[in-house]
Amino acid sequence: EAGVAQSPRYKIIEKRQSVAFWCNPISGHATLYWYQQILGQGPKLLIQFQNNGVVDDSQLPKDRFSAERLKGVDSTLKIQPAKLEDSAVYLCASSLDALAGSYNEQFFGPGTRLTVL
Amino acid sequence: AQKITQTQPGMFVQEKEAVTLDCTYDTSDPSYGLFWYKQPSSGEMIFLIYQGSYDQQNATEGRYSLNFQKARKSANLVISASQLGDSAMYFCAMSQTGGFKTIFGAGTRLFVKA
Repeated sequence: EAGVAQSPRYKIIEKRQSVAFWCNPISGHATLYWYQQILGQGPKLLIQFQNNGVVDDSQLPKDRFSAERLKGVDSTLKIQPAKLEDSAVYLCASSLDALAGSYNEQFFGPGTRLTVL
Repeated sequence: AQKITQTQPGMFVQEKEAVTLDCTYDTSDPSYGLFWYKQPSSGEMIFLIYQGSYDQQNATEGRYSLNFQKARKSANLVISASQLGDSAMYFCAMSQTGGFKTIFGAGTRLFVKA
């Protein structure tokens, strides 16, 4: 079974530029998550999708971050414009169905390491 | 508000010995789930073990067990017979009912000595 795929693996940009990350979850997984992990910290949930609908984006800085999951499969996370403090690893994860009543474990991708100069 | 606390920034253990990584949590939701993940230097998060708030028995998965003390709001991870490959960051996490609002602790870095 293929795991969660993410691209690119690394990205370096100047502040005020825009950047986009892509995630392909495990086939059949209804729930998709985007996390931001700043160096030395635990991951912080940015947004959670159930199929193609947003169920939680309370910690997403909506003035600069946006995310979509068209057709309930792949997802993209965009930052525009980027700030220095956005430097982090962006992790995508998926689970079978978080709303099904059982606590499915999350399967994580390898992450995208973003450096904002 | 939910909170996860991991008070041990770093831990050392001798190979083949057991080690306990601490995790305390706070939530007002009566139904929740607790998870432990391992993050090796490669960066990928690996699920280890899960405990539901209504589970009567402590969870076990191979060499991993979760010491769940609900009244004390603690969910410590016990790794038995440590191996060199266990050297990594370990994160405790919690989700509310329906898998919402997943939060992670700051992590504990485990070093296994030969």
